[in-house]
This record gives sequence, C-alpha cells and structure tokens, in this order.
Amino acid sequence: SAVISQKPSRDICQRGTSLTIQCQVDSQVTMMFWYRQQPGQSLTLIATANQGSEATYESGFVIDKFPISRPNLTFSTLTVSNMSPEDSSIYLCSVDLDRGNEQYFGPGTRLTVT
Amino acid sequence: KQEVTQIPAALSVPEGENLVLNCSFTDSAIYNLQWFRQDPGKGLTSLLLIQSSQREQTSGRLNASLDKSSGRSTLYIAASQPGDSATYLCAVVLAYNFNKFYFGSGTKLNVKP
Repeated sequence: SAVISQKPSRDICQRGTSLTIQCQVDSQVTMMFWYRQQPGQSLTLIATANQGSEATYESGFVIDKFPISRPNLTFSTLTVSNMSPEDSSIYLCSVDLDRGNEQYFGPGTRLTVT
Repeated sequence: KQEVTQIPAALSVPEGENLVLNCSFTDSAIYNLQWFRQDPGKGLTSLLLIQSSQREQTSGRLNASLDKSSGRSTLYIAASQPGDSATYLCAVVLAYNFNKFYFGSGTKLNVKP
C-alpha cells in the first residue's frame, strides 16, 4: 500500500491568485495522477505526472493553467493559476504502485475561490 | 472512449439491510475494476480490486462481482451499518491504457440507524 499526504488540506483564495498543492508519497512511484472533483461530481483526471518528463494533460486542461512539477519519485506539485470561482473543487493526487493496479489517493485539498 | 455509469445515484436504507450498488462500463477490454469509498470532503479509500480474470472479491461484509462480457460490476454490502454511509465509486482501467482510470459518478449511500 501507499500513504499519501497533501498540503494544504484546504484553502480559501481570491480570484486571480495562484495556489500550489503538494503531494508526498511514502514510497517511490513512477506515475502520479492529479484529479479534480467539482462539488457533487465524480473525479476528472487533470494530468499524469512521470518523474523526469513533462506531465501529460487530459483534454480540457492546459499546462499554463495547471502547471505540474515532479522533481523526484515521491513528490509532485500542482499549481492552480489565475484562479476563478469555477476552480473551487477538491484536488486529489493518487498513485498506483504497479502499472494499472490498485490506486491510492491522498486526502485531497479543498479549494474555495472567492 | 470508456463510459462508466453507476446506479442508483443515491440510496437510503435502514440499518441492517443488505444492499447492492451497480457499476456498468461500455468497453469490456478492462484490466481491472476498483471500488472506492469517499466520505464527505475526504479522499478516496480503496475497498476492493478485481482483476479482469476474476469473478469476485470479498472483504468482510463487502463482496464485489465482475461480469466483463456484460460490462457490469456489483458491490454487495451485507448487514449495512450507519458507518457505511458514504459515496461509493467504481473505476476501471483499460487493458490497452494503464495510464488512466475511468470513474463512475458514484452512489451516495445513507444508512439510517
């Protein structure tokens, strides 16, 4: 299994500012995933982050809005840039320890943009 | 493109009842299917993982089945308890793309004491 922590757990931000969310895993993993969960909705994949390469973004998400860093095998950050109220969501990171197998999630970051 | 659907969207039952949650998917070429639990405002907790070659998995009061040919999975919860109240999500991984998990929209379960 994997233990994943995220910082911050929640934040309230003003429109036009940026927030960087950190994700730390207790073991080395190849792939890390970033999801968004808007109120009352299911999870939407933002991007997949591999160490040492550019993140791969899903349709509808762009690097300028959601830049991702993956400096090593246990850590990643997601930045939500130039925020608007529509960005208010829970942001979750996840890992799978073996390609395509069981996925583990962090506790999430609850973001509110005013 | 894989579409994952969960029915019902919400369910309210009295404590002690046995219940079934449903998950269906359109592309049967899956590698595995995973059931998660999500408490309000929290992350996801993995409940059961079924590989494509398996028919079911059990953990305590939970039993998940998989019928790949018909594109369906069920999560059976026996003797439900108020502590089971949460949203339950299923997710599938395709056999030809390990890089993406496709999530259903979830079933919100309320078990009344």
